[in-house]
Amino acid sequence: AQSVTQPDIHITVSEGASLELRCNYSYGATPYLFWYVQSPGQGLQLLLKYFSGDTLVQGIKGFEAEFKRSQSSFNLRKPSVHWSDAAEYFCAVGGAASGGSYIPTFGRGTSLIVHP
Amino acid sequence: EAQVTQNPRYLITVTGKKLTVTCSQNMNHEYMSWYRQDPGLGLRQIYYSMNVEVTDKGDVPEGYKVSRKEKRNFPLILESPSPNQTSLYFCASSEDSYNSPLHFGNGTRLTVT
Repeated sequence: AQSVTQPDIHITVSEGASLELRCNYSYGATPYLFWYVQSPGQGLQLLLKYFSGDTLVQGIKGFEAEFKRSQSSFNLRKPSVHWSDAAEYFCAVGGAASGGSYIPTFGRGTSLIVHP
Repeated sequence: EAQVTQNPRYLITVTGKKLTVTCSQNMNHEYMSWYRQDPGLGLRQIYYSMNVEVTDKGDVPEGYKVSRKEKRNFPLILESPSPNQTSLYFCASSEDSYNSPLHFGNGTRLTVT
């Protein structure tokens, strides 16, 4: 069965500092990988996605993520964090689940706190 | 504007009183899904639908029902709500279920007393 692990429940950074949010996945074939952001009181919004090709993908709001097959990871990065980036971040994997059905699986989320 | 619309945004009810949370999307998406979000547990899928009249259980379907009579609508029904169903609920849709991004509604915060 597919699964996603986000090891960090909370991450605190200072405004202007760099950011890396970790995501590890378990999936039997080439995964479809996503990062979503959830601002307070809002639904989830897609930041970026990886299907194939270049392992470094660019997303909205200055975010990027790198797919590393050997490490089963898809970490999210941003070179300089802004106070408005404070939110909950979810990594997700798409693809076939056990039994042949297709169920996107989400990690438990990482809460990003930005200090001024 | 492409969107997923959920109603209501907030709902307080009592144990056992049937309720329906509506979800509608205007993107002609085939796949729709319901999630609940609880602190420390992330998003867990309740039910999903691959197309009209096709629904299937997700990870936590107990106590919930859904229907997909039209492509655009996917209501979530709680026949007899209980306090453990107090949660934040999200409806989502996508062109297909596994390699297209999900579009989420703004959520429904349900409290069952």
